[in-house]
Amino acid sequence: GENVEQHPSTLSVQEGDSAVIKCTYSDSASNYFPWYKQELGKRPQLIIDIRSNVGEKKDQRIAVTLNKTAKHFSLHITETQPEDSAVYFCAASKSGGGADGLTFGKGTHLIIQP
Amino acid sequence: DVKVTQSSRYLVKRTGEKVFLECVQDMDHENMFWYRQDPGLGLRLIYFSYDVKMKEKGDIPEGYSVSREKKERFSLILESASTNQTSMYLCASSLAGADTQYFGPGTRLTVL
Repeated sequence: GENVEQHPSTLSVQEGDSAVIKCTYSDSASNYFPWYKQELGKRPQLIIDIRSNVGEKKDQRIAVTLNKTAKHFSLHITETQPEDSAVYFCAASKSGGGADGLTFGKGTHLIIQP
Repeated sequence: DVKVTQSSRYLVKRTGEKVFLECVQDMDHENMFWYRQDPGLGLRLIYFSYDVKMKEKGDIPEGYSVSREKKERFSLILESASTNQTSMYLCASSLAGADTQYFGPGTRLTVL
């Protein structure tokens, strides 16, 4: 089955700096890659996703890049703010959420230092 | 606005008890999922269902079963709870053919 590795497990950055979280996946058939943000005590929320026919996607301060050849994808957060502090999960799926469910990475605890 | 609800936020059970976790979504979603979340392990897929009475095993189905008698409701069943099933259980749903999964608030289950 699919295996998703996520690094780092903890990331501490100064407010205003950029943060990058990286994930690799094992199954070349995977074609959907979402990122979820989970604040303490709350449910995971989708923040951005990318499909295998796209190399990069941006939404304001967040962006995701995908390298299908290398089987890795990354989350980039620019101009970090205190409210970005949370645990971030990457995930992969072969055909979206319908036929397969999601395989998640172990998560990255992002800490924004004031 | 999509709403996924779970029957309990916190649950404490004894070893050997039969446990039911309920999930309800109000957006007519075809797909429903059960994950468990453990510190340092992320979310792991237990079971999912893409239609009423249909179920598929996820990555860690051992010790669990599910029931989907109505489209809006997906139940996770622990036939005989064990201490290693102490965890946060998250339900999610999505539309058929759509990718985005919407999560419920989670049930923190403690098995003593």
